[in-house]
Amino acid sequence: AQKITQTQPGMFVQEKEAVTLDCTYDTSDQSYGLFWYKQPSSGEMIFLIYQGSYDEQNATEGRYSLNFQKARKSANLVISASQLGDSAMYFCAMREPYTGGFKTIFGAGTRLFVKA
Amino acid sequence: SQTIHQWPATLVQPVGSPLSLECTVEGTSNPNLYWYRQAAGRGLQLLFYSIGIDQISSEVPQNLSASRPQDRQFILSSKKLLLSDSGFYLCAWDALTGELFFGEGSRLTVL
Repeated sequence: AQKITQTQPGMFVQEKEAVTLDCTYDTSDQSYGLFWYKQPSSGEMIFLIYQGSYDEQNATEGRYSLNFQKARKSANLVISASQLGDSAMYFCAMREPYTGGFKTIFGAGTRLFVKA
Repeated sequence: SQTIHQWPATLVQPVGSPLSLECTVEGTSNPNLYWYRQAAGRGLQLLFYSIGIDQISSEVPQNLSASRPQDRQFILSSKKLLLSDSGFYLCAWDALTGELFFGEGSRLTVL
């Protein structure tokens, strides 16, 4: 079963506008972490933002914020004031306890296109 | 500071040939290490993860295997490649915060 769901294969946004990328997750653990990563066309994976399951405040990192709704099991990424350089694939990920350690699983991703 | 490197960056291999991708981490000890595969335009699929030397868990049954002969070395192998093994392979380690640090990636094309 899908544990991380990103329902938007592709999104368009006008430069300087804000955009929300959706992510829902499924877990029975109480302790977990939620992450967003950016993957430009070069292929590198860039960490953007982290939200712990016990964090009551939504995480923010510069133009990135994570809209965490625990009861709904959603962790949407909000990018404010979009820039052309924001065009990339965006992945939502969840880190959860696993045998002897942790593992991080990823959603299918959303490709964001920023229009000039 | 911690660094992670993987190689080779690009591979073109015939079906049935063997595979060896190598990943090394510097600047940290006893890291958790991961191998992911990304099919073209798709998400990352967790293949293997390791919490220590010779301690490896497999997520997906397949013709790939992984080994960790040293603390900071993680190797992905196959004895006979399939067409479906084509993809972008990423090695990663995780910090105490849970953030993953990725290598540069290895793009494998099986013909």
